[in-house]
Amino acid sequence: GQQLNQSPQSMFIQEGEDVSMNCTSSSIFNTWLWYKQEPGEGPVLLIALYKAGELTSNGRLTAQFGITRKDSFLNISASIPSDVGIYFCAGGADDKIIFGKGTRLHILP
Amino acid sequence: DTGVSQDPRHKITKRGQNVTFRCDPISEHNRLYWYRQTLGQGPEFLTYFQNEAQLEKSRLLSDRFSAERPKGSFSTLEIQRTEQGDSAMYLCASSLELFSGRNNEQFFGPGTRLTVL
Repeated sequence: GQQLNQSPQSMFIQEGEDVSMNCTSSSIFNTWLWYKQEPGEGPVLLIALYKAGELTSNGRLTAQFGITRKDSFLNISASIPSDVGIYFCAGGADDKIIFGKGTRLHILP
Repeated sequence: DTGVSQDPRHKITKRGQNVTFRCDPISEHNRLYWYRQTLGQGPEFLTYFQNEAQLEKSRLLSDRFSAERPKGSFSTLEIQRTEQGDSAMYLCASSLELFSGRNNEQFFGPGTRLTVL
């Protein structure tokens, strides 16, 4: 079946640093989505990408849909304490989305 | 503007009991999805509806699980004869089917955390 490889699994960074995480797959997707989840809550949609090569920003977040349609990355610039959480990539095809295992972001004071 | 809501937020039950969860999607959304999430994993697809029609079920959805969306609005997920392995967060999401192809923007509810003792 389709699987997404998301990396890194976790990150420990200093406040103010930039963050980069990515997702790869052996399958082609029509959509790439990035979600953030905080403890005890559902995932919140951050960015949706619909076109190969597309680069989209949402505030300090920037994500790109890879040219091969098999990968995507998310960057967070100038991290702040409220960025802490788990970030999930999700690939969409055939009206369903498949999630990666998440990147857990920790911010050191 | 209300988002997706789920009830209850937490459920503790004894093994063998039946449980039912409810999801109310965003009002204009015609698609509704159920997912299961265990610790350290991303959400895993269980089933989805377009309006009242259940279009697909994952092989994760054993015959003890049943979902309904009788009027194309809210949905229920029932688990019969619960097992300890059913302990997880059950998430509901909704989306709006568009002909433009932007069908995958799913918006999630807060989830129902199930603990089976």
